[in-house]
Parts: sequence; C-alpha cells; structure tokens
Amino acid sequence: DQQVKQNSPSLSVQEGRISILNCDYTNSMFDYFLWYKKYPAEGPTFLISISSIKDKNEDGRFTVFLNKSAKHLSLHIVPSQPGDSAVYFCAASVGNEKLTFGTGTRLTIIP
Amino acid sequence: GAGVSQSPRYKVAKRGQDVALRCDPISGHVSLFWYQQALGQGPEFLTYFQNEAQLDKSGLPSDRFFAERPEGSVSTLKIQRTQQEDSAVYLCAGGSSYNEQFFGPGTRLTVL
Repeated sequence: DQQVKQNSPSLSVQEGRISILNCDYTNSMFDYFLWYKKYPAEGPTFLISISSIKDKNEDGRFTVFLNKSAKHLSLHIVPSQPGDSAVYFCAASVGNEKLTFGTGTRLTIIP
Repeated sequence: GAGVSQSPRYKVAKRGQDVALRCDPISGHVSLFWYQQALGQGPEFLTYFQNEAQLDKSGLPSDRFFAERPEGSVSTLKIQRTQQEDSAVYLCAGGSSYNEQFFGPGTRLTVL
C-alpha cells in the first residue's frame, strides 16, 4: 500500500527551463510534506517543506505547492541548472511521526 | 564532524551471517532514525530514538533486526542471520524532530 506516490520515474528538462516534479498521497491525515534531493552514493538532502495549513512555500529557485483537496503536491525548480540533476523524493508525515517516502523521480537537466 | 556519518559504507555478508551497522549523528541531535532503502524504492522507516530511548520500532521487518543507542549518541543497527532480502542501503538520519531529518550517506549491504 503505497501512501505516497511519484508516478514519474524520470524527467528530462532543458537547462534554464522549469522543472515540475509531482507527488500524490492517499492518507488524508498527512499534515507535513517535504522534498529531498539525492545524489548517487550520498544520503538524501532536505530541500524544502510545507505544512498542510499552507498551499505554497518558496525558497529561492524552489517552490512547493500543495493541493489538499486533490491530495497532490508539486515541486517547481526555476530556472533549472545542471547541478539539479538528481533523484527527488517527496515525503509526508502525520504530526511528528515517521516520514513516508515516495519512490523518487530522477531529474536530468540537459545543458 | 559536520554531518551524519555511517560505517561501513559497504558491507558484503554471507547468508546467515550477523552484521552491525554504525551511525554517528550530528552532535546535539536528540532524534535518530534508521531507514531501509531497497533498489528503486524510497527509504522506508525502521525505527526511531529520542536520546537513548527507542520510541518507535514499528518498521523493523523481523525480530532479526535490532537497534540500540545506549548513550544517546552513536547508534548501531544489528541484523542477525542475514537473508538475501535484507540487501539494501541502510540510512541513518538525525534531527530535532521527525521533520527535516539530516541523512548520512548510508551503508550498502549485500547479502550473498
């Protein structure tokens, strides 16, 4: 039972354009959502988060949008840079409980 | 050190062998988490410590898995009688809460 789903295993985007990574969840109790970035042979690195009381959070080139009614969140990266090439995981939690991760999306930025 | 460290980075074990994986969290982080990441999957929660207390071990897949953090800093994940399905990357993370956890590089375990 996959409670957090990332349906796109991979995504390729031209450098300078916008990258949009999507995530869907099924557990309506989730109230905190995070995005992590992972390079090969390294652990995931925290990128940005959003609480369920908000619908948008922005940090530099990264913006996360949350649509609670659709149980959907997305990560926008603009402009995309070659260093953004990595695997991106979305994760969710209920209050201060364990994180549930999606299966990841491999983003490739084409120079 | 500045970040979470884990050792060994790679471990190859024969089926039935016991293994011990170590995690050194960031100094001052009271919370410590272990995750298992199978190939092509996202990390899956195993267990959680607050200081030396193991508050949640609901993700441990079997009684062959055991974790400890006796002094509230370094933690060890032990797997007894390893099986091939235990092959995965084991990630340790620390933080001040369940949110915004800081991950180590992981230990890649291969059971032959």
